[in-house]
Amino acid sequence: ETGVTQTPRHLVMGMTNKKSLKCEQHLGHNAMYWYKQSAKKPLELMFVYNFKEQTENNSVPSRFSPECPNSSHLFLHLHTLQPEDSALYLCASSQFVTDTQYFGPGTRLTVL
Amino acid sequence: AQKVTQAQTEISVVEKEDVTLDCVYETRDTTYYLFWYKQPPSGELVFLIRRNSFDEQNEISGRYSWNFQKSTSSFNFTITASQVVDSAVYFCALSDFNNAGNMLTFGGGTRLMVKP
Repeated sequence: ETGVTQTPRHLVMGMTNKKSLKCEQHLGHNAMYWYKQSAKKPLELMFVYNFKEQTENNSVPSRFSPECPNSSHLFLHLHTLQPEDSALYLCASSQFVTDTQYFGPGTRLTVL
Repeated sequence: AQKVTQAQTEISVVEKEDVTLDCVYETRDTTYYLFWYKQPPSGELVFLIRRNSFDEQNEISGRYSWNFQKSTSSFNFTITASQVVDSAVYFCALSDFNNAGNMLTFGGGTRLMVKP
């Protein structure tokens, strides 16, 4: 595997389900990011992790819970989501937080 | 607050035509980076270019060229002799170095459709 990978690529869940999105980067980077891309808004930064420490939470509701166990892996745990949370969730990584971000293919999430 | 505006929501051209995608930004920072990303139907954002605010030289990479004009706060992207494979959504983005690091603010994107 090369670059940034995300699994699953598609996810359909009910509002009471708990699910997790996974991101893995094979670039040796130290910073990782979660973005949300919905039809009605521009790409929105959700979370930033730098050397496994969360450095940014862009006013994201608590039903989204990130986890970064090491610099290569990033998770987004989902719980009691709303239909308006349906979107493409993109993961990105960069060598350092000041460097160019490289994106994964995204997880298309549908909340019923 | 930072803002990136891509006024063209959709552009349709015929193959081999040249096309320019506009990007206008607002920032109070004196040091910043500007980016262009391509998002094909597969969904992945593909990095195209990063430009430092101190470097106003235009850049050319194959059929792609970028025109950075600080005086008008614009960073336009031109594709020469467009091809069907260029069909995608293109995003312009601006980074903020005042906080934890590279916080990207994206424009709304321009959907480019290149017809054969």
